[in-house]
Amino acid sequence: QTVVTQEPSFSVSPGGTVTLTCGLSSGAVSTNYFPSWYQQPPGQAPRTLIYSTNTRSSGVPDRFSGSILGNKAALTITGAQADDESDYYCVLYLGSGISVFGGGTKLTVL
Amino acid sequence: EVQVVESGGGLTQPGGSLRLSCAASGFTVSRNYLSWVRQVPGRGLEWVSVIYADGNSYYADSVKGRFTLSRDNSKNTVYLQMNSLRADDTAVYYCARDRSGSNYFDPWGQGTLVTVAS
Repeated sequence: QTVVTQEPSFSVSPGGTVTLTCGLSSGAVSTNYFPSWYQQPPGQAPRTLIYSTNTRSSGVPDRFSGSILGNKAALTITGAQADDESDYYCVLYLGSGISVFGGGTKLTVL
Repeated sequence: EVQVVESGGGLTQPGGSLRLSCAASGFTVSRNYLSWVRQVPGRGLEWVSVIYADGNSYYADSVKGRFTLSRDNSKNTVYLQMNSLRADDTAVYYCARDRSGSNYFDPWGQGTLVTVAS
């Protein structure tokens, strides 16, 4: 069974930069997995940040960027703000209609 | 405005059934991909299923054989029929348009809570 891995938690200082990653239990993440990233503030539905590795969804500030770093997908937030404090999820497309979410990263801004 | 609205959640006993609805507006479900994603309260997101524009549907292993997607084009609505429900199916179920067929979920609905308990 394919497991998508994310850091359980991360902290960043206001104004700082943080990179969250999204890996596979076996193998490397590539653009062929169409990694996407979602932000979910407490008590709210998820919001799309990045799709197809590095394309920002409409209205998402350019402080958020996606990439492949080594063998993982990555979400980088620059100039972190207080309202960036959320849960962040990546999802990978495994093919044949199947997708798998990572366990999520709880980002604290302090 | 492009949006999806879920309904149909509620309380049911183990082994029971529920049908969730995802009503779309601002786009045509028969020409799009619609996915369901669930979230156990306090836990992470889990992809559940997707129905393609061509009518084919795909499911996570955890629900395969128990959940079935269907579509009513006249109502622009997708349905998730959930049978043989178990306690671990308890979750908020979100519907989302998949704009690319590969994880570009947008927009998301507000979710509907399914509770499976005796």
